[in-house]
Amino acid sequence: GESVGLHLPTLSVQEGDNSIINCAYSNSASDYFIWYKQESGKGPQFIIDIRSNMDKRQGQRVTVLLNKTVKHLSLQIAATQPGDSAVYFCANAGNMLTFGGGTRLMVKP
Amino acid sequence: GAVVSQHPSRVICKSGTSVKIECRSLDFQATTMFWYRQFPKKSLMLMATSNEGSKATYEQGVEKDKFLINHASLTLSTLTVTSAHPEDSSFYICSAEESGRSSYEQYFGPGTRLTVT
Repeated sequence: GESVGLHLPTLSVQEGDNSIINCAYSNSASDYFIWYKQESGKGPQFIIDIRSNMDKRQGQRVTVLLNKTVKHLSLQIAATQPGDSAVYFCANAGNMLTFGGGTRLMVKP
Repeated sequence: GAVVSQHPSRVICKSGTSVKIECRSLDFQATTMFWYRQFPKKSLMLMATSNEGSKATYEQGVEKDKFLINHASLTLSTLTVTSAHPEDSSFYICSAEESGRSSYEQYFGPGTRLTVT
């Protein structure tokens, strides 16, 4: 079956540093992945997505890398800010969204 | 952008009572809505897929008689937790898929925190 998981449950970074959040997957329903940000007590917010025909996609301060060979993707946040503190989920989008376990990003001032 | 609302945002109820949670797509029509449950420090677990005008599809292990879902219009789906018990306490999140778009594009509601005493 498909599974999506994250390497680290908690990531603590200094404000201004770059953050890297990892996600590994085994069998995927599709090669389309989405990163979500969930702040405490709120629903998930779409951050960025990537399709299988790409290995990198950049947004505003965020970059997602997809390595289909080792079935790994990562979310990089540049110049991390306190407002980036949240739980980040990767999700595989097949017929339904399958979420990974989540990584809590804590930004130290 | 597409906005999904949930009501209430927080609810506390006594054990044995039923609670209804509403999920609305505010500026788009949603043929399909999804209900998720999230335990503290855990990921989202899909409970059921709600289709307008038809019966919901429940995930394995989710009791359909316990979690009643109604999707009577293209902008509203409701989840009723019947005869709630403390173990039903959780964060319930809905998402909506805009009609005619792919399931990749789900818009999430802000969630409803249910506490059963």
